[in-house]
Amino acid sequence: SAVISQKPSRDICQRGTSLTIQCQVDSQVTMMFWYRQQPGQSLTLIATANQGSEATYESGFVIDKFPISRPNLTFSTLTVSNMSPEDSSIYLCSASAQGEQPQHFGDGTRLSIL
Amino acid sequence: GESVGLHLPTLSVQEGDNSIINCAYSNSASDYFIWYKQESGKGPQFIIDIRSNMDKRQGQRVTVLLNKTVKHLSLQIAATQPGDSAVYFCAETINTGGFKTIFGAGTRLFVKA
Repeated sequence: SAVISQKPSRDICQRGTSLTIQCQVDSQVTMMFWYRQQPGQSLTLIATANQGSEATYESGFVIDKFPISRPNLTFSTLTVSNMSPEDSSIYLCSASAQGEQPQHFGDGTRLSIL
Repeated sequence: GESVGLHLPTLSVQEGDNSIINCAYSNSASDYFIWYKQESGKGPQFIIDIRSNMDKRQGQRVTVLLNKTVKHLSLQIAATQPGDSAVYFCAETINTGGFKTIFGAGTRLFVKA
C-alpha cells in the first residue's frame, strides 16, 4: 500500500494568513483526495485532486478558499486561504491506485488558527 | 496528539469479548465499502473492504457484513484487545464518473482490560 507523507504535521497560524499543506506519495497513484476532520467528527471530503486538470470540489468547498495543485502522480498541495478560527481542523490527504481500491491516508496536518 | 471521536458514539467492551460496530450508509448506488480504524493523532488505517456483490468477508479477527436491502454495514472484531481501542469509520465509495469515498459518522471503541 502507498505510504503518504504530509507536511507540516501541525501549525498554528494567524487569522487572515494562508497555509499550504504538502502531500507526497511514495508511488504513482491515480487518485488523490483532500479531507477535513473537525474535532470529534468524521472526515469530510473537500475535493479530488486531478492530475493535469482542476480539482473537483465537493459542495460547500470552493477553489478560492482551498486551492489545490496536483502537478504529477505522486504529489499534491492544499492551500487554506485567508484563515479564520473556523478553519481549525485536521486536514488529511489520501490516495488510491484506482477507483475501487482502498484509499490510504497520511497522518494529517493539525491546523489551529488564532 | 489531539483526540478524535470525542463526541462520537462509544462502544465499551471487555477484553476478550467480541465487538460489533454498526454503520448505516446513505447511497444505494455505492458499490464498494471500507472500514477504517483511526487512533489518536493518526490518519485512518484500512482494516477490511467489501464489494457490493458480496454480503460477508472475513479477515484476521475481523468480519464485515453488508446488507444492501437496509443499507447497513457492520464490523465484527473477535477477541477484542486493548490495542483495538480507537475510532472506527465505515466508508462508501460512489462512482459518479470519478470515484469518491464518503465517510460515516464513526464509533469510538473502548476496550476494558
